[in-house]
Amino acid sequence: AQKITQTQPGMFVQEKEAVTLDCTYDTSDPSYGLFWYKQPSSGEMIFLIYQGSYDQQNATEGRYSLNFQKARKSANLVISASQLGDSAMYFCAMREYGNKLVFGAGTILRVKS
Amino acid sequence: GAGVSQSPSNKVTEKGKDVELRCDPISGHTALYWYRQSLGQGLEFLIYFQGNSAPDKSGLPSDRFSAERTGGSVSTLTIQRTQQEDSAVYLCASSALAGGRSDEQYFGPGTRLTVT
Repeated sequence: AQKITQTQPGMFVQEKEAVTLDCTYDTSDPSYGLFWYKQPSSGEMIFLIYQGSYDQQNATEGRYSLNFQKARKSANLVISASQLGDSAMYFCAMREYGNKLVFGAGTILRVKS
Repeated sequence: GAGVSQSPSNKVTEKGKDVELRCDPISGHTALYWYRQSLGQGLEFLIYFQGNSAPDKSGLPSDRFSAERTGGSVSTLTIQRTQQEDSAVYLCASSALAGGRSDEQYFGPGTRLTVT
């Protein structure tokens, strides 16, 4: 079974609008962490946001927020006020049973002007 | 300060040759990770070093793959008798493991390996 599922291979969003990138996960570890990374065409992996399994509130970092629904095992990334520079591949990842990350397949986001 | 650096940035090798990929983590980071990113497999964990503990090698795909970390800093990933399916981008990451909540991993630019 997939540990991290990103069901949207590609997404389009109009500049200045909000977009939600989906991520569901599967784990039996009660203590886990969820991460979102951005990978532009240049290839570097950029950390965006983190949500701990015991966190009561949804994480936010600037224009990024994480819609964490623990019972549904989902951790969707919301990008508000999209910018052209947001065009990239986005990966959801989970840390469980230690520190290694398990990644989803990624979602390619394209922001249209 | 400087981020994670990797060398070489690109490596083309012939099938059957051995290759060494190098990673310099962020100074002071105690944890170092190797991942592989390929078209068919996405991002896969390979190996993880934490301080002086025995490394977690659970992601290494075969015994042709090995890695070491000298002096708790620089790491070298070695692939022996390379095969075409080893072609991928090899990413190194480090984290502080300082007890922070997220302890996010910082990634290097990667080494693109092409086996011909």
